[in-house]
Amino acid sequence: SQQGEEDPQALSIQEGENATMNCSYKTSINNLQWYRQNSGRGLVHLILIRSNEREKHSGRLRVTLDTSKKSSSLLITASRAADTASYFCATGLSGGFKTIFGAGTRLFVKA
Amino acid sequence: NAGVTQTPKFQVLKTGQSMTLQCAQDMNHNSMYWYRQDPGMGLRLIYYSASEGTTDKGEVPNGYNVSRLNKREFSLRLESAAPSQTSVYFCASSEYYNEQFFGPGTRLTVL
Repeated sequence: SQQGEEDPQALSIQEGENATMNCSYKTSINNLQWYRQNSGRGLVHLILIRSNEREKHSGRLRVTLDTSKKSSSLLITASRAADTASYFCATGLSGGFKTIFGAGTRLFVKA
Repeated sequence: NAGVTQTPKFQVLKTGQSMTLQCAQDMNHNSMYWYRQDPGMGLRLIYYSASEGTTDKGEVPNGYNVSRLNKREFSLRLESAAPSQTSVYFCASSEYYNEQFFGPGTRLTVL
């Protein structure tokens, strides 16, 4: 199974609501990153949190990292229809340059 | 500043044919990566190059070879294409442990 696994697999919310996505992983990491992918496009980097950090903010995004539980969460506040996309967590493994992606959460924001 | 470029955008092959996917970046990044993405799934790492002159296997290297031609260019070769290699291929680059920048992808169909 993959290193990073997102939960839920799909999420449908109304515009203005908050969206929370979770990611769990198995091995030691150097960092954890979140990416967004619009249908048929390449991935766009959203935020990176290092293993010695616990929380990070960027605009409407808030990411937390709990290395003891090997989990992370991405919160998108006040969601917009334009936030509709797939969101992937990616773990940068310790001791190397490999980055392993999860299967993603498909977010649909209804206007 | 084009970022990461990939050629071709689309390709159809017959089983057993060979082809090379090209990737170039103009951000002076040291690390480059090749991923494949199958429908409804996350990205799986095929090969990566931590720096010019080095390449390493990722999660799914079988059936592929890579060449780090110089700091800018990282190519992926399919020697004898198989239907199981039908996928969307993404190239990415990064500066060591930092965020990855992705190309637009190559959609490959093997008949």
